[in-house]
Amino acid sequence: EIVLTQSPATLSLSPGERATLSCRASQSVNSYLAWYQQKPGQAPRLLIYDASNRATGIPARFSGSGSGTDFTLTITSLEPEDFAVYYCQHRRKWPLTFGGGTKVEIK
Amino acid sequence: QVQLQESGPGLVKPSETLSLTCTVSGGSISSDNYYWSWIRQPPGKGLEWIGDIYYIGSPNYNPSLKSRVTISVDMSNNQFSLKLSSVTAADTAVYYCATKLITLNWFDPWGQGTLVTVSS
Repeated sequence: EIVLTQSPATLSLSPGERATLSCRASQSVNSYLAWYQQKPGQAPRLLIYDASNRATGIPARFSGSGSGTDFTLTITSLEPEDFAVYYCQHRRKWPLTFGGGTKVEIK
Repeated sequence: QVQLQESGPGLVKPSETLSLTCTVSGGSISSDNYYWSWIRQPPGKGLEWIGDIYYIGSPNYNPSLKSRVTISVDMSNNQFSLKLSSVTAADTAVYYCATKLITLNWFDPWGQGTLVTVSS
């Protein structure tokens, strides 16, 4: 099983600031990595797929990068609606696994 | 755009079988364009993939749950279902159904989720 480790667990930032979230895989997942956003009481929403492609309707302030074992989700300028929990997920092989999440909270 | 809606009991007794259904609208369960999936999230915790099914062929299950899980497709009602046997309190979670386009192969969209509590 591929383990995804996300850091930091919590990121305290102010609106307008830049957020940088990390996801590290226990073995290479090539570019088979996605990022999801989850707000309280809601289902996760696909943000980024195949490491760097924005899903339909996702604003350009969200970007993803990386390959192999190290990946980054960047939010260039935080909007109030961006404060949420973010999960990474791979599909390199079964079982599919998710990272433990990074909570982006208002400072 | 495909939409998904979970349904089923919100309370299940320990050792019994959890049964949930996901109703698909805006698309056909028998389409060769989609995988159909279940994912769960214990309260306050992260996400765990349970399994996937294509409209034909064998499902793929998480090995951690494989001995207790069955996912199946009901083409006549445009639904797919989840059965999890011998449940314990550790199975208490929000259960989500989701779909993956064959060409995209990521979970999008998701149902709203349904909380299942295991308790006597």
